[in-house]
Amino acid sequence: DTGVSQDPRHKITKRGQNVTFRCDPISEHNRLYWYRQTLGQGPEFLTYFQNEAQLEKSRLLSDRFSAERPKGSFSTLEIQRTEQGDSAMYLCASSFGHEQFFGPGTRLTVL
Amino acid sequence: AQKVTQAQTEISVVEKEDVTLDCVYETRDTTYYLFWYKQPPSGELVFLIRRNSFDEQNEISGRYSWNFQKSTSSFNFTITASQVVDSAVYFCALSSGGSNYKLTFGKGTLLTVNP
Repeated sequence: DTGVSQDPRHKITKRGQNVTFRCDPISEHNRLYWYRQTLGQGPEFLTYFQNEAQLEKSRLLSDRFSAERPKGSFSTLEIQRTEQGDSAMYLCASSFGHEQFFGPGTRLTVL
Repeated sequence: AQKVTQAQTEISVVEKEDVTLDCVYETRDTTYYLFWYKQPPSGELVFLIRRNSFDEQNEISGRYSWNFQKSTSSFNFTITASQVVDSAVYFCALSSGGSNYKLTFGKGTLLTVNP
């Protein structure tokens, strides 16, 4: 399968814990995006990488959130000191042109 | 700021009916791109179509058709002869002509096709 993959698919954590998600984009896609989707809403942009460079971060991305894309391949999104409000689906997408192709998402539940 | 409005929260139809999903957008950019994505119960967003702001031709793909009208800032999506497998949440999205192409999504329309 050559689509976007994300790991884990589900994560349950206690408030205050740190979590890390991984995204593997489609091979040779130079652009990688992270979005967050809450129940009943459309996805909201969090951050964008072109190759290994993080070029834009949303104001939604507080200082507890950090993302990396070493070597321009896979990406990680870390949330430190999780809060209940962080509970959401975290979606990764990759692209080479205008169309973005999404992974299955990681559903985070913070207890 | 960019904005996408999908006024229909939920639509329910009976199989074989035609259904139109509305999308209205706001942007100050002269070059922009419009998209529709499908999110079935499994959760993964599936790309359906992209239209460029400079191309107002309508498009048909099988039972799907899209009507892009710049004069009313609308990009509506019609499913002809709906099927149960069309049941999903459908999102309209917008990106600017800048270099990052980040998507601004509407809130989505939940389409339920009943047998």
